[in-house]
Amino acid sequence: SQQGEEDPQALSIQEGENATMNCSYKTSINNLQWYRQNSGRGLVHLILIRSNEREKHSGRLRVTLDTSKKSSSLLITASRAADTASYFCATVLFGNEKLTFGTGTRLTIIP
Amino acid sequence: NAGVTQTPKFQVLKTGQSMTLQCAQDMNHEYMSWYRQDPGMGLRLIHYSVGAGITDQGEVPNGYNVSRSTTEDFPLRLLSAAPSQTSVYFCASSPDRAKSYEQYFGPGTRLTVT
Repeated sequence: SQQGEEDPQALSIQEGENATMNCSYKTSINNLQWYRQNSGRGLVHLILIRSNEREKHSGRLRVTLDTSKKSSSLLITASRAADTASYFCATVLFGNEKLTFGTGTRLTIIP
Repeated sequence: NAGVTQTPKFQVLKTGQSMTLQCAQDMNHEYMSWYRQDPGMGLRLIHYSVGAGITDQGEVPNGYNVSRSTTEDFPLRLLSAAPSQTSVYFCASSPDRAKSYEQYFGPGTRLTVT
């Protein structure tokens, strides 16, 4: 079964608006990572947040982590057409060498 | 650096055939892994390796074999292809810094089994 589940499954917004995606997971984690996948391509690592961190920023990306709720959110500000892609969260558990992916959110930016 | 490379990009097999998907990385990463991606199911881990000579099973290892004789290469072998193995296969590597397992992905191999 999937460790992470993204919500919503699909999201369409106008260019310039902010996009928020959420990820929930089931068991305690070492870290949580967000990846982007453009259509027909491999995944690209965006940002990593560790279990003892609450918020991280990278350019237009902001990630939050709430370990008490076992959830994370990815915010993309001032969206661009090039942000159209699928976004996946992935988790690493303590003492585990595996990265487990969620099912992804498909984001469409409307020009 | 070429990063993570995969060959072939596309492959069609008949049921029962065997083949090897190639994966190589030139970043001297210790950790390498294979995933399959199916619609609506995200990526599922098939096998992974934490270093040359060491491999372990992931979530969906049945029907697949791997070996890791060098740091650079991590081939995935399909022993007897089945239609259920129709999928997109991704190889990834990680520098394993501080056990973060941040992954660098190859472009994928799209496999169809008829």
